[in-house]
Amino acid sequence: QVQLQESGPGLVKSSETLSLTCTVSGVSIRNFYWSWIRQPPGKGLEWVGYVFDIQTTATTIYNSSLESRVTLSVDTSKNQLSLILRSVTVSDTAVYFCARHGGNGRGIDVWGQGSSVTVS
Amino acid sequence: SYEMSQPPSVSVSPGQTATIPCSGEDLGDKYVCWYQQKAGQSPVLLIYQDKKRPSGIPERFSGSNSGNTATLTISGTQALDEAHYYCQAWDGSTVVFGGGTKLTVL
Repeated sequence: QVQLQESGPGLVKSSETLSLTCTVSGVSIRNFYWSWIRQPPGKGLEWVGYVFDIQTTATTIYNSSLESRVTLSVDTSKNQLSLILRSVTVSDTAVYFCARHGGNGRGIDVWGQGSSVTVS
Repeated sequence: SYEMSQPPSVSVSPGQTATIPCSGEDLGDKYVCWYQQKAGQSPVLLIYQDKKRPSGIPERFSGSNSGNTATLTISGTQALDEAHYYCQAWDGSTVVFGGGTKLTVL
């Protein structure tokens, strides 16, 4: 059974850097696309970015609205994904989900439980 | 950037059919996925590639996509279907979500 668990500080001060980790179990991260998606309180889903081709290049694609502030990375030895968001503001307050793309157009088929982040 | 629009809310009576549209320019040329998100929970994949259901998703959930509109249809809607529903597609190499629709079963 594939499971994703996000972790990180629940509170970050404005202008500082947010760091989140997603620990994946039940499958190697090498073989899929992995997205980060966030959801501000009471609002809809916003895609942040994804990483793929982890076996070789760990290529990243970002939402253009966040591209200047976000970095996604992986640690294959720990089977983990990471998100860094710099210079946060209150508008970055959200639940942050890591999620797996099922491959071959199968949609985002596995989601973590989400990590709530408040920017003060 | 590509945008997809959904009505903020849809209401349906128990046992009736609910339809939730998702509109975008030439959306029919893209594959659309649908997700259900209940209060306080993570989203769940309902439909992928416009009309395919992952294992474990009830047959009452179906999807279609043509022209500028993709549609999620819930037949025989049940109280437990009350949730937010999001469409999602790829625009080139980026992932796009619709704004979401709150389905109320009353």
